[in-house]
Amino acid sequence: VLTQSPGTLSLSPGERATLSCRAGQTVSSSYLAWYQRKPGQAPRLLIYGASTRATGIPDRFSGGGSGPLFTLTISRLEPEDFAVYYCHQYGSSPPTFGQGTTVEIK
Amino acid sequence: QVQLVQSGAEVKKPGSSVKVSCKASGGSFSSYAFSWVRLAPGQGLEWMGAIMSIFDTPNYAQKFQDRLTITADEYTTTVYMELSSLRSDDTAIYYCARDTGYSGYDFWGQGTLVTVSS
Repeated sequence: VLTQSPGTLSLSPGERATLSCRAGQTVSSSYLAWYQRKPGQAPRLLIYGASTRATGIPDRFSGGGSGPLFTLTISRLEPEDFAVYYCHQYGSSPPTFGQGTTVEIK
Repeated sequence: QVQLVQSGAEVKKPGSSVKVSCKASGGSFSSYAFSWVRLAPGQGLEWMGAIMSIFDTPNYAQKFQDRLTITADEYTTTVYMELSSLRSDDTAIYYCARDTGYSGYDFWGQGTLVTVSS
């Protein structure tokens, strides 16, 4: 089980966002990803291997941590960053997702 | 450029089945697994199952084991997800995603809304 916190984060553009994902079982850092989802769109891969940015992802997004606690940090929120974020472990079967953190405009 | 294009929205009656397709283009189809993930209203993402065409043996989440069928057609580079015995709580957006193994799910289909209603 992956537990994300907080459930909702209310921030202003330009602020820093820190999202957490806690694993209830052993999760390898090599197989932890973060996705962004906006309404009406498919999820978008941001981070894999806990800390590697996917192709085309701006460097304001960074992933860190190791089992059982992982973090996604957005250094300075841009208007397009307000969305739902999911962590995902894909190293053991079945793959699982966190329940999501909504980053909303304050 | 890799693209996954899914079939259109469906409205189904309880107890019926739905089959959703996912056409892959722009990449090596047989080198990757493809997963199906759904997003139900008010819920988080839920992995349902996956298949890799060269092995042709799907892997299902236990929750869906008895009513989910995932197949892959290497010639048309299309993956299919069929869910039977539909219930109202199967109402969701269903996504296919390319599973890179180490690098997460890097490309996703646009999603297919399946509505189960009497």
